[in-house]
Amino acid sequence: AQKITQTQPGMFVQEKEAVTLDCTYDTSDQSYGLFWYKQPSSGEMIFLIYQGSYDEQNATEGRYSLNFQKARKSANLVISASQLGDSAMYFCAMSRKDSSYKLIFGSGTRLLVRP
Amino acid sequence: GAGVSQTPSNKVTEKGKYVELRCDPISGHTALYWYRQSLGQGPEFLIYFQGTGAADDSGLPNDRFFAVRPEGSVSTLKIQRTERGDSAVYLCASSSGLAGRADTQYFGPGTRLTVL
Repeated sequence: AQKITQTQPGMFVQEKEAVTLDCTYDTSDQSYGLFWYKQPSSGEMIFLIYQGSYDEQNATEGRYSLNFQKARKSANLVISASQLGDSAMYFCAMSRKDSSYKLIFGSGTRLLVRP
Repeated sequence: GAGVSQTPSNKVTEKGKYVELRCDPISGHTALYWYRQSLGQGPEFLIYFQGTGAADDSGLPNDRFFAVRPEGSVSTLKIQRTERGDSAVYLCASSSGLAGRADTQYFGPGTRLTVL
């Protein structure tokens, strides 16, 4: 069965510094997608970045990059130059083709950016 | 607005009552998902629609839960005989349905359901 593990319940980072949020996944599929979402206190899930299992380059979107290590089954999110507005819950998720492309989510990491 | 909308934003009901939660997806998106998020956890899949049909309802916890999408756009999640354990945030997401595993799901703000 597919599973996403986020081992850091909470993280602190100083404003303007970089932070890495860990995500490991378990799947026997060859084709899958990996996503990161941000959930501020308002509750809405905001899409940040996507990595496909066949993508050779690590995905980047502005200050977000995904450190994809396929052999280790890890997909860590790197946020550079942290801002106070980055304080939120961050969820790693995986999609696969079965009868849908439903997302399997991890338990999340709460990030707090200190001024 | 061009995003996914959900109504109501909050719903308080009594145990045993019937509730309906509505989701209006992004215009043109054929795929629609419902998830449930309990406090302190990640969202859990409930049901997936491709067009009007429920292509995957494997996440529905029991037969008290039902969802429809009669015209392939707006969807309604229906919960009968609500129980206190149904209290959670119900999230709706939509995607284009065209990109397979790369299809990004865009979420609505959720409906917070509280069953007293």
